[in-house]
Amino acid sequence: GENVEQHPSTLSVQEGDSAVIKCTYSDSASNYFPWYKQELGKGPQLIIDIRSNVGEKKDQRIAVTLNKTAKHFSLHITETQPEDSAVYFCAAIKIVNAGNMLTFGGGTRLMVKP
Amino acid sequence: DTGVSQNPRHKITKRGQNVTFRCDPISEHNRLYWYRQTLGQGPEFLTYFQNEAQLEKSRLLSDRFSAERPKGSFSTLEIQRTEQGDSAMYLCASSLQQGRTEAFFGQGTRLTVV
Repeated sequence: GENVEQHPSTLSVQEGDSAVIKCTYSDSASNYFPWYKQELGKGPQLIIDIRSNVGEKKDQRIAVTLNKTAKHFSLHITETQPEDSAVYFCAAIKIVNAGNMLTFGGGTRLMVKP
Repeated sequence: DTGVSQNPRHKITKRGQNVTFRCDPISEHNRLYWYRQTLGQGPEFLTYFQNEAQLEKSRLLSDRFSAERPKGSFSTLEIQRTEQGDSAMYLCASSLQQGRTEAFFGQGTRLTVV
């Protein structure tokens, strides 16, 4: 089955700096890679996703890049703000008729210091 | 609010008791998923439904775990004879079958077994 590794496990940045979180996956057939943000006591919230036919996707201060050859993808947050502080999870899946059985990475706790 | 709704938000139970959690998905979503999340880890897939059919249940953690979605709308997850190791956050997510593949999570039910 799929295995997703995520690094770093914790990341502390100064407000306004950029943050980068990296994930690697094992199954070359995986073709959908979402990123979730989880605040304390809440469920994961989808913030951005990318499909395998695209190398990069951007949404305001958030961008995701995908390198299919190396089987890794990254989340980039620019101009970080204190409200970006949360745990971020990457995930991977091979989209077939069988549904969204996501395999998650271990998470990155991002702390943005004002 | 038209998001995924889970009840209760918190449940404390004594070891050996049975517990049941409820999930109401986004109304037009016909796929529903259950995940478990232990402290400091990413969510772990348990089972999923397409309408009322349970299409994947091999990853339920033991035969003490069962899930139903009798009319293809809300779902319940039951844990029988709870153990301390069952203490975790139980997350429900839903998605559409066709087209967009994003899965949206509820706030979760935090179970504490004492």
